[in-house]
Amino acid sequence: ETGVTQTPRHLVMGMTNKKSLKCEQHLGHNAMYWYKQSAKKPLELMFVYSLEERVENNSVPSRFSPECPNSSHLFLHLHTLQPEDSALYLCASSLAWEGASEQYFGPGTRLTVT
Amino acid sequence: AQSVTQLGSHVSVSEGALVLLRCNYSSSVPPYLFWYVQYPNQGLQLLLKYTTGATLVKGINGFEAEFKKSETSFHLTKPSAHMSDAAEYFCAVSGTGNAGKSTFGDGTTLTVKP
Repeated sequence: ETGVTQTPRHLVMGMTNKKSLKCEQHLGHNAMYWYKQSAKKPLELMFVYSLEERVENNSVPSRFSPECPNSSHLFLHLHTLQPEDSALYLCASSLAWEGASEQYFGPGTRLTVT
Repeated sequence: AQSVTQLGSHVSVSEGALVLLRCNYSSSVPPYLFWYVQYPNQGLQLLLKYTTGATLVKGINGFEAEFKKSETSFHLTKPSAHMSDAAEYFCAVSGTGNAGKSTFGDGTTLTVKP
């Protein structure tokens, strides 16, 4: 596998379920990101990890819980979600947590909360 | 603080016509500027970026953009549109004072008519 991969690609879950999204990057990057992309809304940065430390948390509800066990893997644990959490969740990575580093995105997980 | 404005949420051109997607930014520090493209059911992919040096930047698929500091603009162009260029395009800005926190525009959907 090359680039940034995300699993699953599609997920349907009830409001009482617990699930996890997985992201893996094969680029040797040191920074990883979670974004939420909703229809008709701007891309929302949720979390940033640099060298496995969380460096950005943009007022995301506690029902979203990130985990970065190493610089290649990033998880987003989901529990008791709301229907408005339905969206495309994108993972990205960059060489460093620096402004000049472009981000490489995975294909996303399409989440539907019923 | 930084922000990005993409003028026109939808742009439609004929195949073979010039593509012009507009992006204006504001930044309190020298900006790094990016254009990304997103095809349906995929993540974002870098088209090109400006960091320093030459203000005319060439990217993939025949796209280019010019950094104009006096106009705070970074418009994306392509001389001749192809059907495969139909996608959503995002302009983004970051800076040394904001580390990895890129601010994305709302996106412009490009339609190419045969």
